[in-house]
Amino acid sequence: QKEVEQDPGPLSVPEGAIVSLNCTYSNSAFQYFMWYRQYSRKGPELLMYTYSSGNKEDGRFTAQVDKSSKYISLFIRDSQPSDSATYLCALRGNTPLVFGKGTRLSVIA
Amino acid sequence: DSGVTQTPKHLITATGQRVTLRCSPRSGDLSVYWYQQSLDQGLQFLIQYYNGEERAKGNILERFSAQQFPDLHSELNLSSLELGDSALYFCASSVAAGDTEAFFGQGTRLTVV
Repeated sequence: QKEVEQDPGPLSVPEGAIVSLNCTYSNSAFQYFMWYRQYSRKGPELLMYTYSSGNKEDGRFTAQVDKSSKYISLFIRDSQPSDSATYLCALRGNTPLVFGKGTRLSVIA
Repeated sequence: DSGVTQTPKHLITATGQRVTLRCSPRSGDLSVYWYQQSLDQGLQFLIQYYNGEERAKGNILERFSAQQFPDLHSELNLSSLELGDSALYFCASSVAAGDTEAFFGQGTRLTVV
């Protein structure tokens, strides 16, 4: 079993939809949970991170962590064409970041 | 712009050759990370340096090596290149060794022919 599993998509939604992106993981030592956004031909950029369980909101983005289920989610409200990108979850314990393979999202105007 | 600079942006080379990828971290960042991104494997952590010292090692092949210089820039050396080494190589930097927030460069696209 891989340490981090993420559905690669692609996921295609209409503009204005609520998007749900998810990752599951197997290592209980992970304590920090991040979401990165990567546009085509660019490096990943950090969207938000959460420490331990719970929710965190930043504008249209909400990150959720359920450590009991080893499941993390990123919700995007009122999705925009500019949100079209690959979204990577990343997790860290006492080691450098472990990334999911990324979910490719397309928001259609 | 993340402030992390990677050169070159693109590199095409033949099998068996050796190349050097360069990374300049953000001003003030002491920690540098190298990642390899391929379609089938995703982003794989290779190695981390902190203030000139190797801090952590991931799935880095013996043919690959890295170092961080006193001015904190880092180089990733890839030798005896194989077709399967074709990938995007990213450098990231952070202020401290265990920082959650790492800033990525734009990457070097390596094509081995």
